[in-house]
Amino acid sequence: GENVEQHPSTLSVQEGDSAVIKCTYSDSASNYFPWYKQELGKGPQLIIDIRSNVGEKKDQRIAVTLNKTAKHFSLHITETQPEDSAVYFCAASIVNTGNQFYFGTGTSLTVIP
Amino acid sequence: DSGVTQTPKHLITATGQRVTLRCSPRSGDLSVYWYQQSLDQGLQFLIQYYNGEERAKGNILERFSAQQFPDLHSELNLSSLELGDSALYFCASSVPFETQYFGPGTRLLVL
Repeated sequence: GENVEQHPSTLSVQEGDSAVIKCTYSDSASNYFPWYKQELGKGPQLIIDIRSNVGEKKDQRIAVTLNKTAKHFSLHITETQPEDSAVYFCAASIVNTGNQFYFGTGTSLTVIP
Repeated sequence: DSGVTQTPKHLITATGQRVTLRCSPRSGDLSVYWYQQSLDQGLQFLIQYYNGEERAKGNILERFSAQQFPDLHSELNLSSLELGDSALYFCASSVPFETQYFGPGTRLLVL
């Protein structure tokens, strides 16, 4: 089955700096890669996703890049703010085969004011 | 608000007991997924239902079972509870082959 690795497990940045979280996947058939943000005591919330026919996607301060050849994808957060502090999870999935998500182990991001 | 609802929000019970967690998916979503998240752990996939039928199984213990009803709500039944079952349990829903939207979770504490 699919195996998703996520790094780093913890990340601290100064407010205004950028944060990058990286994930690798093992199954070359995976074609859908969502990112979730989980605040303390809440459920994971989808923040951005990318499909395998696209190399990069942006939404305001958040961007995701995908390298299919190397089988890795990354989340980029620019101009970080204290409210970005949370745990971020990446996932990989093969759409059209039941859509089971394989999650990374999470990155705890702390933005220092 | 994702549109996925879960009840109860908190549950405290004793070892050996049985509990039922309930999930109502977003309107129009046919798939329901259950996940377990232990302290400082990631999301462990338990089971998926699609339109009332079991679709995929993950690391679900034999003491746990689930079902999806004709109105598409789902229940996760946990029996013979152990201390190690204390965790957050999340339900997610999706239309077929699209992204999953998570509910707020049920926090289970087994004493």
